[in-house]
Amino acid sequence: EVVLTQSPGTLSLSPGERATLSCRASQSVGSTYLAWYQQPPGQAPRLLIYAASNRATGIPDRFSGSGSGTDFTLTISRLEPEDFAVYFCQQYADSPTFGQGTKVEIK
Amino acid sequence: QVQLQQSGPGLVKPSQTLSLTCAISGDSVSSNSAAWNWIRQSPSRGLEWLGRTYYRSKWFNDYAVSVKSRIIINPDTSKNQFSLQLHSVTPDDTAVYYCARSSGETDYWGQGTLVTVSS
Repeated sequence: EVVLTQSPGTLSLSPGERATLSCRASQSVGSTYLAWYQQPPGQAPRLLIYAASNRATGIPDRFSGSGSGTDFTLTISRLEPEDFAVYFCQQYADSPTFGQGTKVEIK
Repeated sequence: QVQLQQSGPGLVKPSQTLSLTCAISGDSVSSNSAAWNWIRQSPSRGLEWLGRTYYRSKWFNDYAVSVKSRIIINPDTSKNQFSLQLHSVTPDDTAVYYCARSSGETDYWGQGTLVTVSS
């Protein structure tokens, strides 16, 4: 099983600041099989990024993804109030697995 | 626009079977490019993929090792839906259960169902 480790566990930032979230895989997942999701409280996850760097339909361009192999990054260039939520990475190269999440909270 | 509507009980007794259904609109359970998944989320386990069913000239199922001995996911082409059965549940199976569509990444999710395992 591919284990995904996200860091940091919590990110405390102010609106307008830049957020950088990390996801590290226990083995290579290439550059095609990594996705990022946003989960607001009480809601289902929403797809943000697929294939490491492709924005899903309707996702604002302040969200960007990068990386390949075992190290991936989600960047939110300027935080909007609705961006404060929990973010998960997922690999789908093998049986799908998720990271434990990074909470982006208001400082 | 794909929509997934979940239904099923929110309370199951220990040792019994958890059963949920996911009705699909905007796509077909028999699609040759999608897979139909069950995923759960709990504070102790986080997001955990349980399994999927998909059609590629014939039906296939993949299950997570952690639940493989007690899970069944079935498509129902007559109703365009799919179902989850998880047998011999324990309190550790208490979680929010999601159905979801994937075509690689998981792009559509159901609304989630909180299932509590308790006597």
